[in-house]
Amino acid sequence: GQQVMQIPQYQHVQEGEDFTTYCNSSTTLSNIQWYKQRPGGHPVFLIQLVKSGEVKKQKRLTFQFGEAKKNSSLHITATQTTDVGTYFCAGERSSGNSGGYQKVTFGTGTKLQVIP
Amino acid sequence: DTAVSQTPKYLVTQMGNDKSIKCEQNLGHDTMYWYKQDSKKFLKIMFSYNNKELIINETVPNRFSPKSPDKAHLNLHINSLELGDSAVYFCASSLEGYGANVLTFGAGSRLTVL
Repeated sequence: GQQVMQIPQYQHVQEGEDFTTYCNSSTTLSNIQWYKQRPGGHPVFLIQLVKSGEVKKQKRLTFQFGEAKKNSSLHITATQTTDVGTYFCAGERSSGNSGGYQKVTFGTGTKLQVIP
Repeated sequence: DTAVSQTPKYLVTQMGNDKSIKCEQNLGHDTMYWYKQDSKKFLKIMFSYNNKELIINETVPNRFSPKSPDKAHLNLHINSLELGDSAVYFCASSLEGYGANVLTFGAGSRLTVL
């Protein structure tokens, strides 16, 4: 079955340092989403990437979708304590059929700790 | 005006008991899901319903039975609870059942089986 792995599993950074998490799928994806889960909270949607090679920015966050649509990355510039949480990518597998249902498979997550 | 609401938020019970978790969404979404998040934070889909019809049923013990009385509700009933069922269960919904289905999650229901 489809597997979506993220590295690293954990990352501790000093406040102000940059952070990157990488997401790799065993299969080609039709799109990829990123979610953030604060400690004790629930996953909250951040962004979706659809096109090969797409890059999107949200303030200090930069999201990238690989050319082969099998990997993605999230980069945070100058981390702040509010960035603490677990970041999940979630990929929807490509289907050759129009219509039909494809489930979203979540990555293993990267837990970010920011030291003030 | 919570978009996806789950009850109860916490559930502590003994092994062997039967329990239910309820979920309701007021977003007008067609598809609802149950995800299980274990102690390692892995998020795994269990079930998905589109307009009351079961469309995803992962390899989940048949002690777990979802029920969708209408497209705004998806409940999860668990029979004969086991220690390994302890986890946080998230309900989610999305506008469509396929293609760019962005998920809106509920706050989660933490189940502890003693």
